[in-house]
Amino acid sequence: QKEVEQNSGPLSVPEGAIASLNCTYSDRVSQSFFWYRQYSGKSPELIMSIYSNGDKEDGRFTAQLNKASQYVSLLIRDSQPSDSATYLCASADSWGKFQFGAGTQVVVTP
Amino acid sequence: NAGVMQNPRHLVRRRGQEARLRCSPMKGHSHVYWYRQLPEEGLKFMVYLQKENIIDESGMPKERFSAEFPKEGPSILRIQQVVRGDSAAYFCASSPPGQGARAGNTIYFGEGSWLTVV
Repeated sequence: QKEVEQNSGPLSVPEGAIASLNCTYSDRVSQSFFWYRQYSGKSPELIMSIYSNGDKEDGRFTAQLNKASQYVSLLIRDSQPSDSATYLCASADSWGKFQFGAGTQVVVTP
Repeated sequence: NAGVMQNPRHLVRRRGQEARLRCSPMKGHSHVYWYRQLPEEGLKFMVYLQKENIIDESGMPKERFSAEFPKEGPSILRIQQVVRGDSAAYFCASSPPGQGARAGNTIYFGEGSWLTVV
């Protein structure tokens, strides 16, 4: 079983709509969770981190964490064509080992 | 990308040659991670190092691959006798000292090294 699982997509979202990305993890010792964005041919860049249950908002992005359900999500409001990318979910244990999901491809259509 | 430097950016090797990929972590960072990304696939953890110490190499292939992070100088990922299946993007990431995620640390990626084996 993969430690971090995401739907591969592609997730097609009309411009201006909300993109909703989901991620589940299997390792209960995971303490921190992250969303990275990766454009084709580029390296991942950090969007958000979340450590506690609940929601965390940063601009157009909202991360949600539910440790009981081992579930992390990312909402992108007012989606723009520049948001078209692959979004990687990651979990980290207390020793700093990061595991990444395979990524969800998001395509924002004008 | 947050000062993590990787080189070379692109490397072409013939089958059977050796590939050496270098990574200098962000200033003040003492933890280095190597990930491999095959075309159209996600990031696969390879190895996690601190200075002069391998913390976790559970993602490293048993043969031909090795990694080090010496006291002085960059971290090196070495691939001996490369095969076409080694063609991939290799990303290095670094994080600050402290107990990893428990300290609230995150990791920052370099631009990557694209290895092509012909």
